[in-house]
Amino acid sequence: AQSVTQLGSHVSVSEGALVLLRCNYSSSVPPYLFWYVQYPNQGLQLLLKYTSAATLVKGINGFEAEFKKSETSFHLTKPSAHMSDAAEYFCAVSSSGGSYIPTFGRGTSLIVHP
Amino acid sequence: DSGVTQTPKHLITATGQRVTLRCSPRSGDLSVYWYQQSLDQGLQFLIQYYNGEERAKGNILERFSAQQFPDLHSELNLSSLELGDSALYFCASSLLDREFNEQFFGPGTRLTVL
Repeated sequence: AQSVTQLGSHVSVSEGALVLLRCNYSSSVPPYLFWYVQYPNQGLQLLLKYTSAATLVKGINGFEAEFKKSETSFHLTKPSAHMSDAAEYFCAVSSSGGSYIPTFGRGTSLIVHP
Repeated sequence: DSGVTQTPKHLITATGQRVTLRCSPRSGDLSVYWYQQSLDQGLQFLIQYYNGEERAKGNILERFSAQQFPDLHSELNLSSLELGDSALYFCASSLLDREFNEQFFGPGTRLTVL
């Protein structure tokens, strides 16, 4: 079985501050990990994905995430928040040999203050 | 624009009724997924079709059914609707049904059951 836990349903930062959104996963086999973003009234879109090629993954809009096997984590970061980053962020896990259907976390709402 | 289209955008209906949600996947994608998103349940996987055949089932109620047609578009049928079925329904598509494939989400259909 696989699962994802996103710590914090809401994260609030000031514009220009570091963004850190936490994701911990559980998988009995090597995972594939994804971060998706959902802007208001839109569907989810992929920010980045980890497929074992490199532990530090760079995505769109300046976001990146680091796969840490020992901590079973895949936290999403951005050095400097922008007002346009305000959205819902979802972490997801899938795995070969297990369920290839991704399991999504409950999501974290990022609020950016001016 | 993800290339995935969903119709209608909004649907308001009464309890006990039946509705059909339609999804056209991204050009070339063979796999279609249906999700239900609600505040209390988060993003829940319902069902997946691959090249016309049902491939995986998630938390889909017996009142719900889906199919994928030869042109690869898909329909989700919801019957005997209840108030609790009010949610955002997303369709997503991917090239194949592999664990490393990213999913492309449509804009969703917002269903309101009165």
